[in-house]
Amino acid sequence: DSGVTQTPKHLITATGQRVTLRCSPRSGDLSVYWYQQSLDQGLQFLIHYYNGEERAKGNILERFSAQQFPDLHSELNLSSLELGDSALYFCASSPRTSGTYEQYFGPGTRLTVT
Amino acid sequence: LAKTTQPISMDSYEGQEVNITCSHNNIATNDYITWYQQFPSQGPRFIIQGYKTKVTNEVASLFIPADRKSSTLSLPRVSLSDTAVYYCLVGDSNYQLIWGAGTKLIIKP
Repeated sequence: DSGVTQTPKHLITATGQRVTLRCSPRSGDLSVYWYQQSLDQGLQFLIHYYNGEERAKGNILERFSAQQFPDLHSELNLSSLELGDSALYFCASSPRTSGTYEQYFGPGTRLTVT
Repeated sequence: LAKTTQPISMDSYEGQEVNITCSHNNIATNDYITWYQQFPSQGPRFIIQGYKTKVTNEVASLFIPADRKSSTLSLPRVSLSDTAVYYCLVGDSNYQLIWGAGTKLIIKP
């Protein structure tokens, strides 16, 4: 158990809908990262927050947005969903902001868009 | 933009040493190079990270040459439970995190 929690574990929704994925980092970790992993594919970095501030954006679509709240939990919002958005979405936390990438991953949210 | 290249798959046998190499260019000067292990339907798990030369922990060693254009993860005496996908991770100067495509390691009895 990494100490990172993600909810929900599974999500099934229809094209065009909007969903929110939630992540709670390990106690004391200020950095939260979001990743997308499509079936049998590698990890795509989406976005990184540190202590409430956006630190870096990766391959995140304009239909997607994220934020980190004062209690350090983070939410990833996915809107106007398309079939191709079906994937595992992971969040990871770290005590640091850069230089070192020792991250602790949650169990993921499996999103299925039908 | 940093780029990474690692073999798609590798096979080995129980008890052998396995070395997986990742080539990476344009990585951030002051960042560590990190390796992860991932089992199906689970989040990646941190294995080891290093900046230069050699780092060893209880599960693996990491070799990084002076030019930092590659890194080699070494798994000593692998077992069936080491069958997994292994990823290298680097950062670039724009704070982008670049993951390798992953090496699927299959350990045979």
